[in-house]
Amino acid sequence: DSGVTQTPKHLITATGQRVTLRCSPRSGDLSVYWYQQSLDQGLQFLIQYYNGEERAKGNILERFSAQQFPDLHSELNLSSLELGDSALYFCASSVGGFVDNEQFFGPGTRLTVL
Amino acid sequence: AQSVTQLDSHVSVSEGTPVLLRCNYSSSYSPSLFWYVQHPNKGLQLLLKYTSAATLVKGINGFEAEFKKSETSFHLTKPSAHMSDAAEYFCVVSGAIDMRFGAGTRLTVKP
Repeated sequence: DSGVTQTPKHLITATGQRVTLRCSPRSGDLSVYWYQQSLDQGLQFLIQYYNGEERAKGNILERFSAQQFPDLHSELNLSSLELGDSALYFCASSVGGFVDNEQFFGPGTRLTVL
Repeated sequence: AQSVTQLDSHVSVSEGTPVLLRCNYSSSYSPSLFWYVQHPNKGLQLLLKYTSAATLVKGINGFEAEFKKSETSFHLTKPSAHMSDAAEYFCVVSGAIDMRFGAGTRLTVKP
């Protein structure tokens, strides 16, 4: 158990809808990272927040957004969902503010868009 | 710009024999390099990390990797495979604000 929690574990929704994925980092970690894992595109880094502020941005679509709250939990919002957004979404956390810090991964949220 | 190529999508070994998972990287600066493992239906777990200290990096569960700048490689090895090593392995190249994952190598361990 990495200490990173993600909810929900599974999410099934329809095209055009909007969903919110939630992540709670390990105690003491200030950074949260979001990743997408799909069969088509493999594992992709989406975005990083450090202590409430956006720190790094990867291949995140404009339909997707994230934020980190004062209690350091983070939410990833996915809107106008398409079939291709079906994937496993991972959250990770680290103590430091750079992506090359050791990251601890949560178990993931599996999103299915029908 | 950074990129990483895992040279084998699937590797199959017998239990007790050596493991070699190959990774080549490209980076315009001195990168950090990682190997992560993903067991079925689980999140990723860090095996080891290279950050320009010793070129031979020892990780968890008997794995190690050697950084070879001249060959731009960071291959993962283990002297003797165990059934519990069966998983997907990802090589990762990272700078301070960007990281790229390889496509993954699925390791199968036969009894």
